[in-house]
Amino acid sequence: EPEVTQTPSHQVTQMGQEVILRCVPISNHLYFYWYRQILGQKVEFLVSFYNNEISEKSEIFDDQFSVERPDGSNFTLKIRSTKLEDSAMYFCASSLGGWDSPLHFGNGTRLTVT
Amino acid sequence: GQQLNQSPQSMFIQEGEDVSMNCTSSSIFNTWLWYKQDPGEGPVLLIALYKAGELTSNGRLTAQFGITRKDSFLNISASIPSDVGIYFCAGAGGTSYGKLTFGQGTILTVHP
Repeated sequence: EPEVTQTPSHQVTQMGQEVILRCVPISNHLYFYWYRQILGQKVEFLVSFYNNEISEKSEIFDDQFSVERPDGSNFTLKIRSTKLEDSAMYFCASSLGGWDSPLHFGNGTRLTVT
Repeated sequence: GQQLNQSPQSMFIQEGEDVSMNCTSSSIFNTWLWYKQDPGEGPVLLIALYKAGELTSNGRLTAQFGITRKDSFLNISASIPSDVGIYFCAGAGGTSYGKLTFGQGTILTVHP
């Protein structure tokens, strides 16, 4: 069964550094998402992306965050200047789109900011 | 923003027992989804519900989309040790079918 893949599985970075988290969505999916989960908390929506532009973003997704689909297969999340509170699991998801197309999630990247 | 209240927070059961968990919201959702998350992994879709009143099964799992569109439940029958994990409900509403609101999760422990 096709799946969403994310790399790296774990990223450690120093405060103030830039990080790029990478995702390969399911190949025929059109909508791409980033979610995050702070340790012990629920999963939270960050951003949705369709047709090479952001379709919706949450309050969490401020100017420090950006997303890109640099080629036909990858979808990236960049955090420009990481803060301690950015430490979390970041999940990429994709879907075909529409109310009857559920999101499929990757296994996540654990980001640790020191 | 939309909020989901999921209960119970945790459950400790014996293998073979049935389990029930639910989610409620003050807002209407158009889609209800149930995911399971194992440690260090991403949420895995268990059941998706698209119509109010819909009752759907996936093996030993059964879920229902409440008639008011503000609640959903998940039942697991005859639990087995590999059912251990965190179960999340998630809803999508308004015009944003990809913007899921997640519940807080139910931690399920199954004793052999």
